[in-house]
Amino acid sequence: QVQLVQSGAEVKKPGSSVKVSCKASGGTFSSYAISWVRQAPGQGLEWMGRIIPILGIANYAQKFQGRVTITADKSTSTAYMELSSLRSEDTAVYYCARAESGYNVVWGQGTLVTVSS
Amino acid sequence: EIVLTQSPGTLSLSPGERATLSCRASQSVSSSYLAWYQQKPGQAPRLLIYGASSRATGIPDRFSGSGSGTDFTLTISRLEPEDFAVYYCQQYGSSPTFGQGTKVEIK
Repeated sequence: QVQLVQSGAEVKKPGSSVKVSCKASGGTFSSYAISWVRQAPGQGLEWMGRIIPILGIANYAQKFQGRVTITADKSTSTAYMELSSLRSEDTAVYYCARAESGYNVVWGQGTLVTVSS
Repeated sequence: EIVLTQSPGTLSLSPGERATLSCRASQSVSSSYLAWYQQKPGQAPRLLIYGASSRATGIPDRFSGSGSGTDFTLTISRLEPEDFAVYYCQQYGSSPTFGQGTKVEIK
């Protein structure tokens, strides 16, 4: 059974960057896309982008283009999401999920990123 | 970008009642690439339905999905206490988007 384990909570200053990791265990990593979804406090889900590790190709939601970078390291079965130029509105729980044919089957536990001066 | 609008925002029902949740898309969702998720407080979302009507592994048959094109429905035939949660639809085409969610609360 595939599990996704994310890195721990982060507190960042406005204008800085954050990099969240998502390590897969118990299954095939490279063949499935890894998506990143965020959820601001009390708000809904927002899709940020995804990567197919075996191809190394990522695509991003238009809203985050130029500010987010999603990468994957096949050797360690780990995906990363880096968000730059952080602002207070980026305070959210960030989830990774394994996407099978596009829908998200397995989710990480979430990583809280707090942006505060 | 395809905008998904869920209704109602909140549904107040009693255990044992039937819940009907709607998800309407701003343009046709190709190949019924429509999924439904359940989320409880402090937890990650859980996949319920994919392909508009296929139940995910381990999902009870009281959950069913239907629809095509721009109109989709999630039905919970008889609400169990553990079903009170927030439900999101998602279209997973080339640029996925989520609906804003429907909260199913105990009346």
